[in-house]
Amino acid sequence: ILNVEQSPQSLHVQEGDSTNFTCSFPSSNFYALHWYRWETAKSPEALFVMTLNGDEKKKGRISATLNTKEGYSYLYIKGSQPEDSATYLCASTTGANNLFFGTGTRLTVIP
Amino acid sequence: ETGVTQSPTHLIKTRGQQVTLRCSSQSGHNTVSWYQQALGQGPQFIFQYYREEENGRGNFPPRFSGLQFPNYSSELNVNALELDDSALYLCASSLPRSRGDSPLHFGNGTRLTVT
Repeated sequence: ILNVEQSPQSLHVQEGDSTNFTCSFPSSNFYALHWYRWETAKSPEALFVMTLNGDEKKKGRISATLNTKEGYSYLYIKGSQPEDSATYLCASTTGANNLFFGTGTRLTVIP
Repeated sequence: ETGVTQSPTHLIKTRGQQVTLRCSSQSGHNTVSWYQQALGQGPQFIFQYYREEENGRGNFPPRFSGLQFPNYSSELNVNALELDDSALYLCASSLPRSRGDSPLHFGNGTRLTVT
């Protein structure tokens, strides 16, 4: 069992603000780190899958970085919009067929 | 491209009963995983099916069982329901034999309430 932790648990930001949150995971036997966005009444949607230390991925206004040596990943949202309101989940795997998820960061963007 | 679909959306059962949840995987995906999300928790891995065989299992008792069919659709069966089985059950499909570096494609989930 991998202990994956996310912080903060929730946050509220004003429209236009940039924000970031953290995912911590065990660095030993690391294989991949996933980020998902989960909007209310929808299914979780994959944002990024990262495997390499120092990797940085970007999708529109959202980007993520990965530090496998110290066991953390940051998710950044630039210029938050109301449609960014969702729960953001991260999950880590050691290369087996299962992901270990954190409890998520619930983001609310206030218009 | 057909996404992952789950049925039913909601279900209410009584303690001790049995339940079957169903999932149709995304086209081209022959690997299906099931996750349980209890209130306030992240999704927890139940098991994975690949080519109709169980391909890994999480820390869940044997009363949680599954099936995968030749068309890659899948079922999750839970016997002797307990109150703690109340949760959102998510099905996810992925590329064949992914070691975890391929994204999961989730359905909308089935909300199970056990009374």
